[in-house]
Amino acid sequence: QKEVEQNSGPLSVPEGAIASLNCTYSDRVSQSFFWYRQYSGKSPELIMSIYSNGDKEDGRFTAQLNKASQYVSLLIRDSQPSDSATYLCAEHVRIQGAQKLVFGQGTRLTINP
Amino acid sequence: ETGVTQSPTHLIKTRGQQVTLRCSSQSGHNTVSWYQQALGQGPQFIFQYYREEENGRGNFPPRFSGLQFPNYSSELNVNALELDDSALYLCASSFGTGGEKLFFGSGTQLSVL
Repeated sequence: QKEVEQNSGPLSVPEGAIASLNCTYSDRVSQSFFWYRQYSGKSPELIMSIYSNGDKEDGRFTAQLNKASQYVSLLIRDSQPSDSATYLCAEHVRIQGAQKLVFGQGTRLTINP
Repeated sequence: ETGVTQSPTHLIKTRGQQVTLRCSSQSGHNTVSWYQQALGQGPQFIFQYYREEENGRGNFPPRFSGLQFPNYSSELNVNALELDDSALYLCASSFGTGGEKLFFGSGTQLSVL
């Protein structure tokens, strides 16, 4: 069973601090990973993608991938109250002729002013 | 805005009824994927449509069916609604079946009473 696992939280971080979100996956052949942000009552919004081992930075966001440990993380620097949301980790897998995303259950992040 | 539009925004049905949800894909995209997101969970893949045919299916029963039209828009039909079908239904479009980065529409919130 291919799975993506996340700590559901809630994770509470003071404003201005670094928020660290973690995700593990079970499918060793997965090559592509994504982080989505989802505000309450809204649809998921893609914020980061990562395909290679190491770090990828985009503004205040850094995604980290360790394929040997099957571990993906997202760091948010200088956290803002507007970062309060649920963060979904996803891996890209093939099924039959289609390609799909397998999501974790999400981590709820709260940034405290 | 992703260019993917879904209708209706909200829907209330009773158990045993049938429902049709609609999705218009982003211009230039020929593939539509549908996901179900239950409260507190990550989205789960229902199926994908490419060139008007089902191209892959997740672990959903046959009462979940779909269509794709020549203009690449799509419908998700659910027969014999059950209480557990209450969820946010998300549509994403892409070009070709290998689309990794999915951009979701705003979703349809279905409540089954």
